[in-house]
Amino acid sequence: GAGVSQTPSNKVTEKGKYVELRCDPISGHTALYWYRQSLGQGPEFLIYFQGTGAADDSGLPNDRFFAVRPEGSVSTLKIQRTERGDSAVYLCASSSTVGNEQFFGPGTRLTVL
Amino acid sequence: SQKIEQNSEALNIQEGKTATLTCNYTNYSPAYLQWYRQDPGRGPVFLLLIRENEKEKRKERLKVTFDTTLKQSLFHITASQPADSATYLCALGDDSSYKLIFGSGTRLLVRP
Repeated sequence: GAGVSQTPSNKVTEKGKYVELRCDPISGHTALYWYRQSLGQGPEFLIYFQGTGAADDSGLPNDRFFAVRPEGSVSTLKIQRTERGDSAVYLCASSSTVGNEQFFGPGTRLTVL
Repeated sequence: SQKIEQNSEALNIQEGKTATLTCNYTNYSPAYLQWYRQDPGRGPVFLLLIRENEKEKRKERLKVTFDTTLKQSLFHITASQPADSATYLCALGDDSSYKLIFGSGTRLLVRP
């Protein structure tokens, strides 16, 4: 594809519900990253994949958050038992290899009521 | 823990002037530093990468410096234009983990 795409663009859910956020990286990019951005702040690292494996998940805030990339391309970020504090923009990025410039998607704005 | 500081106050300058944005960091020895531009409602867009063994990098009207002794990077936009108005983010990375640590960004406003 032309760039990184993320779906949905907006997600409104109720406290306690389960959500899935999808990221389609640039074709051929082996590295994929998830970040979370709150208003007025920079992106906060959550997890990155090199191929299918999670190479660093140290940024996931707790065990309610989980991400997969089963075939080394599309990735899904899963949040269980959502809390109001999970409300933020979730950004996905990909790069041709780790350490290179990252190409970001437009983000998914998650609102937990 | 690692800390990155960017001026939280907006930088307001006249068109045609040079904008200089600062990124300071502590408790970290990054292998490289990247600058991104972010417009409202959009994801960050990569601008420049500079490695620890490089002092300066240029790309068109953009220039970035990296001083590992001062633990500081300066980002310059020469001949600024209203279209340069955006938030600029610095991000640090190293070759052991490859994750980026972002600053909170500085908003630049260029007046016509």
